[in-house]
Amino acid sequence: DAKTTQPTSMDCAEGRAANLPCNHSTISGNEYVYWYRQIHSQGPQYIIHGLKNNETNEMASLIITEDRKSSTLILPHATLRDTAVYYCIVRVAGTSGSRLTFGEGTQLTVNP
Amino acid sequence: ETGVTQTPRHLVMGMTNKKSLKCEQHLGHNAMYWYKQSAKKPLELMFVYSLEERVENNSVPSRFSPECPNSSHLFLHLHTLQPEDSALYLCASQRGAGGNYGYTFGSGTRLTVV
Repeated sequence: DAKTTQPTSMDCAEGRAANLPCNHSTISGNEYVYWYRQIHSQGPQYIIHGLKNNETNEMASLIITEDRKSSTLILPHATLRDTAVYYCIVRVAGTSGSRLTFGEGTQLTVNP
Repeated sequence: ETGVTQTPRHLVMGMTNKKSLKCEQHLGHNAMYWYKQSAKKPLELMFVYSLEERVENNSVPSRFSPECPNSSHLFLHLHTLQPEDSALYLCASQRGAGGNYGYTFGSGTRLTVV
């Protein structure tokens, strides 16, 4: 699976949009971009994933560049409960049991 | 509640004890995983089960022994652990063979080896 690069930490004001970047310059054509987050001492939570089109759900939006070498997770109106470590992962889909490899992630702190 | 239930939530055990961690899901998922998360470290994949067969063992010491009796249950049997095995142990499940489904994680078992 391709490696990803994320900033170690970011801050965001409550109510503002949080934009979390991820670089995945070695991504292959059949690899998806996944985002998870982990609130302190809990299990990771799936947020969103995409292949090449932008995606939106009730939690967030995912913007993937045209060359697919980077992406941005957008939390449109961050709340204090969005404080967590956010993981960007690229993975080949299509096989049950294919692994999800976590890196260091970005610690997002939402400030009042 | 995520649909993946792990018990116990907290466990303290001595180095000579034998204990088991349990993971249960009724989401109809076919793949299940054990991850270990030590303090201030990324999650480490330990074992992968697909359709009740172990498909991956990431060089995990034999003092950790997984068991998957059916697609809804996953166990991690612990024996003669070391203090450095203290960590958060997370179970995850994934739907179906093929496709691009996300994982659903449990809340984890916080293990302390004394």
